[in-house]
Amino acid sequence: NAGVTQTPKFRVLKTGQSMTLLCAQDMNHEYMYWYRQDPGMGLRLIHYSVGEGTTAKGEVPDGYNVSRLKKQNFLLGLESAAPSQTSVYFCASSLPHNRLREQYFGPGTRLTVT
Amino acid sequence: AQSVTQLDSQVPVFEEAPVELRCNYSSSVSVYLFWYVQYPNQGLQLLLKYLSGSTLVKGINGFEAEFNKSQTSFHLRKPSVHISDTAEYFCAVSSGAGSYQLTFGKGTKLSVIP
Repeated sequence: NAGVTQTPKFRVLKTGQSMTLLCAQDMNHEYMYWYRQDPGMGLRLIHYSVGEGTTAKGEVPDGYNVSRLKKQNFLLGLESAAPSQTSVYFCASSLPHNRLREQYFGPGTRLTVT
Repeated sequence: AQSVTQLDSQVPVFEEAPVELRCNYSSSVSVYLFWYVQYPNQGLQLLLKYLSGSTLVKGINGFEAEFNKSQTSFHLRKPSVHISDTAEYFCAVSSGAGSYQLTFGKGTKLSVIP
């Protein structure tokens, strides 16, 4: 049981390039989330998904797109990377209708845009 | 809308001394509160959570927190810290019956001094 995994762990992009971050979970969780973490800002929600085929915007969605084609995977895309998107990206997952309301986090992807 | 304020961005403390990390929240509905810990270059791990019931919540690694509704606070405490407690700590809130989104504070960096 690997929990939540993220690919890649590190990436350097040039301004204008595109990339996709992959999040996978093996806990059969219904809900999945993408956050970005910046120094002194805590974690901010980018997009989330409450089930296969559904996505919704979070607090800071601009410049990102997401897809949830399979229940276990949640993809975060950057179509045209900007230096402001330099950050550490975390994926998380959780069960719905769960009184525990706990989110399980992946190890993060460190992205640098030059 | 919900929000979280962590009053201290950095807290230095000597080894074996007690520590309190402060967290205040705002929400117009019932809340669920969490403390997460992030060790250097790692993802977030749940320390403890308050969902309902007893206002004193015990978590892993000897940490505890007290929910105070009148003061809208959820401060984290440990009676005696160890070097291994050096990490960043995040307070988070989830509010409302149907919401599973977490709003995070900006984090408190705890440095334990030998």
